[in-house]
Amino acid sequence: EAGVAQSPRYKIIEKRQSVAFWCNPISGHATLYWYQQILGQGPKLLIQFQNNGVVDDSQLPKDRFSAERLKGVDSTLKIQPAKLEDSAVYLCASRAREQYFGPGTRLTVT
Amino acid sequence: QKEVEQNSGPLSVPEGAIASLNCTYSDRGSQSFFWYRQYSGKSPELIMFIYSNGDKEDGRFTAQLNKASQYVSLLIRDSQPSDSATYLCAVNRGQGGFKTIFGAGTRLFVKA
Repeated sequence: EAGVAQSPRYKIIEKRQSVAFWCNPISGHATLYWYQQILGQGPKLLIQFQNNGVVDDSQLPKDRFSAERLKGVDSTLKIQPAKLEDSAVYLCASRAREQYFGPGTRLTVT
Repeated sequence: QKEVEQNSGPLSVPEGAIASLNCTYSDRGSQSFFWYRQYSGKSPELIMFIYSNGDKEDGRFTAQLNKASQYVSLLIRDSQPSDSATYLCAVNRGQGGFKTIFGAGTRLFVKA
């Protein structure tokens, strides 16, 4: 069974630029999560989808972050404009009963 | 009070010893509990999950859950240097148990 796929794996941008991340969950997993993990901290939930509906986006900075999950499968997370404090690893995870993570995208904002 | 609390460590144990990692949670409605291992520069990897009070064993790993005390632990027997990593405790709560809250993790070092 293929795992959660994410791209790109690394991204370096300047502040105020925009960036987008892509996630393809494990086949059949209805629940998809985006997390932000800053070095030395646990993953922080940004947004949770159930199929293509948003379940929880309470910690998503909506003035600059957006996410969508078209057709209840793939998802994209966008940051526009990026700030220095957005430098982190962005993790996508999907779940049937247990949650599995993709490899993550390491974002550096300079 | 954080929703999921872990001692940040580092916890240092000699090779072959038992490593004991602890986690407490604040929401009594929490339904399921997970331990993830995260190597430096890698994403979290699920190693154990437990849904009922008591112990659950899988190889060298044992998860222990006490809902009355709101406490979950992970024991690693015969610790190996390859077990050196950060261990994240995660708790599912909320309607349908779909909201997952992570602790900040405990760093474990196993000395050869």
